[in-house]
Amino acid sequence: DAGVTQSPTHLIKTRGQHVTLRCSPISGHKSVSWYQQVLGQGPQFIFQYYEKEERGRGNFPDRFSARQFPNYSSELNVNALLLGDSALYLCASSFSPSGGLGDTQYFGPGTRLTVL
Amino acid sequence: GENVEQHPSTLSVQEGDSAVIKCTYSDSASNYFPWYKQELGKRPQLIIDIRSNVGEKKDQRIAVTLNKTAKHFSLHITETQPEDSAVYFCAVTGFQKLVFGTGTRLLVSP
Repeated sequence: DAGVTQSPTHLIKTRGQHVTLRCSPISGHKSVSWYQQVLGQGPQFIFQYYEKEERGRGNFPDRFSARQFPNYSSELNVNALLLGDSALYLCASSFSPSGGLGDTQYFGPGTRLTVL
Repeated sequence: GENVEQHPSTLSVQEGDSAVIKCTYSDSASNYFPWYKQELGKRPQLIIDIRSNVGEKKDQRIAVTLNKTAKHFSLHITETQPEDSAVYFCAVTGFQKLVFGTGTRLLVSP
């Protein structure tokens, strides 16, 4: 039974560039959440999607955007990259969105983004 | 918004000892409290969780207790082993999101 998958594993970009990160949830899960984890800190919530609709947004600038596709996979896009965007980006899937039964989140391996 | 405080930030124990990590939260409406273990360079892995209608839950050497009145919950690990060494994060369900604590680095020495 496949878990949450993310691609790419690692990515190196320069300031000002754009990046797209991808996530495939556990089969049967309809909700995907994105987190940013800076070294030495806990994951910080960026977005949550459920049934292709945005259900929550964290305190991140408009340079960050996301979407969810009909097959429940998701993309996170970051424009105009800054050095401070360097982090591990984690995707988590759950059957339902936060606050309801079935909202237990399972994490993917993450994408390590380095901005030079 | 929801605020989660986690203590201690580091915890060193001898193999076989018990370890306790505590988290406090601010939103009384929070109803789901998971704990994740993250080894270096790996994904956070769910180790145990508890919902607001339960005061305690146990899974082998790991237990979680919840005090909704005081708004705190704790992770208890008994008979610690070197492979328990990792960073542990508590989390709390806030409005439409999961809010994480700052993490506790647990080191179990043989």
